[in-house]
Amino acid sequence: EVQLVETGGGLIQPGGSLRLSCAASGFTVSSNYMIWVRQAPGKGLEWVSVLYTAGSTSYADSVKGRFTISRDNSKNTLYLQMNSLRGEDTAVYYCATPGGLKDSSGYYYVRYWGQGTLVTVSS
Amino acid sequence: EIVMTQSPATLSVSPGERATLSCRASQNFGSNLAWYQQKPGQAPRLLIYGASTRATGIPARFSGSGSGTEFTLTISSLQSEDFAVYYCQQYNNWPQTFGQGTKVEIK
Repeated sequence: EVQLVETGGGLIQPGGSLRLSCAASGFTVSSNYMIWVRQAPGKGLEWVSVLYTAGSTSYADSVKGRFTISRDNSKNTLYLQMNSLRGEDTAVYYCATPGGLKDSSGYYYVRYWGQGTLVTVSS
Repeated sequence: EIVMTQSPATLSVSPGERATLSCRASQNFGSNLAWYQQKPGQAPRLLIYGASTRATGIPARFSGSGSGTEFTLTISSLQSEDFAVYYCQQYNNWPQTFGQGTKVEIK
């Protein structure tokens, strides 16, 4: 059974740093693309970052230069290092992945989501 | 970036009635579209992928259609557990983008 468990959220002051973790089981993180998606209170879903199987990364403009996505293959865990945090970064952060699943056209769709971890940026 | 626009923002429906949710894309991208259901305090739950394929365990009352730029999610007969927020997402291009959501509420 595929499971994603996020940890590391909490209350942090503006300008501070936080590292989120996403522990995976039931599949191999390095064999799938992994994404972070966030949801501000009462708002919709916003894609934040992706880590591809080859190791390359991409970020939303809103977090570029401040957030870093990475993985530890030995721990089968995904991370999101968040620096220079701002009030607008306050959100529930989800990690998600296709878990190896493709649709009929050969595109991977996002099947598995963690339960999310809340990050609150406030003084 | 492909912009996804959902309508209506809120849909008021009585239990047992049919609900039709729309999702429009700013660019043509084929059928690489998913629909998710989200209830308060929960992660999104995959309902549909490939625009029309139900995910494992999703009841047959949920159906998806469309391609290109116009997509529809239909719930044929609303059950109490279906009142939630629904999001469409295109996964054809990076960045993957979501619609702003449609809230289905009890009429």
